Amino acid sequence: DQQVKQNSPSLSVQEGRISILNCDYTNSMFDYFLWYKKYPAEGPTFLISISSIKDKNEDGRFTVFLNKSAKHLSLHIVPSQPGDSAVYFCAASDRGGSNYKLTFGKGTLLTVNP
Amino acid sequence: ETGVTQTPRHLVMGMTNKKSLKCEQHLGHNAMYWYKQSAKKPLELMFVYNFKEQTENNSVPSRFSPECPNSSHLFLHLHTLQPEDSALYLCASSRAGGRLVHEQFFGPGTRLTVL
Repeated sequence: DQQVKQNSPSLSVQEGRISILNCDYTNSMFDYFLWYKKYPAEGPTFLISISSIKDKNEDGRFTVFLNKSAKHLSLHIVPSQPGDSAVYFCAASDRGGSNYKLTFGKGTLLTVNP
Repeated sequence: ETGVTQTPRHLVMGMTNKKSLKCEQHLGHNAMYWYKQSAKKPLELMFVYNFKEQTENNSVPSRFSPECPNSSHLFLHLHTLQPEDSALYLCASSRAGGRLVHEQFFGPGTRLTVL
């Protein structure tokens, strides 16, 4: 049973517009959430994170929103650029287990068209 | 070399072969991880080493045997694998300890094919 779900396998957006990537989780013990980006033939790279005590974290063009009651988080990229085209993974960590164990979603392939 | 490196990048092996995957991190981290990514599946944590001690074995079959001789190096020894073990194997490292979750830094992965 998947505890972290990214229900959209792919997303296509026009350059300059907003990209919104979604992630849902089922484990209420998760208290820290991360987004990773992965280009082909490379490992995932850390993008942005958020603690469960916050509902928003912003870093440049990237903003992560957390809705704990809905067990939902989203990553907003504004404005989207062709170089943002990659697979985006949502990951979560729970306070009850090892503090360094991450549970990942399957990923969403984002394509930003020029 | 910077970051996390993995060798080989690609490996094809028969079910009776013995091979090893190598990971090296140049970030001064003390925790290292092996993940498996199969097609259309999420990354699955296999093993965690914290200060060279194995602290997590996520129900991985014994045909996968990890080794962590020091905080900078991590190996995954493979023997009598099955075709369903074909996947991308990713190594990661992070700072360790405390109650904080530290972001993990990943290597490029080894694409393994078992014939």
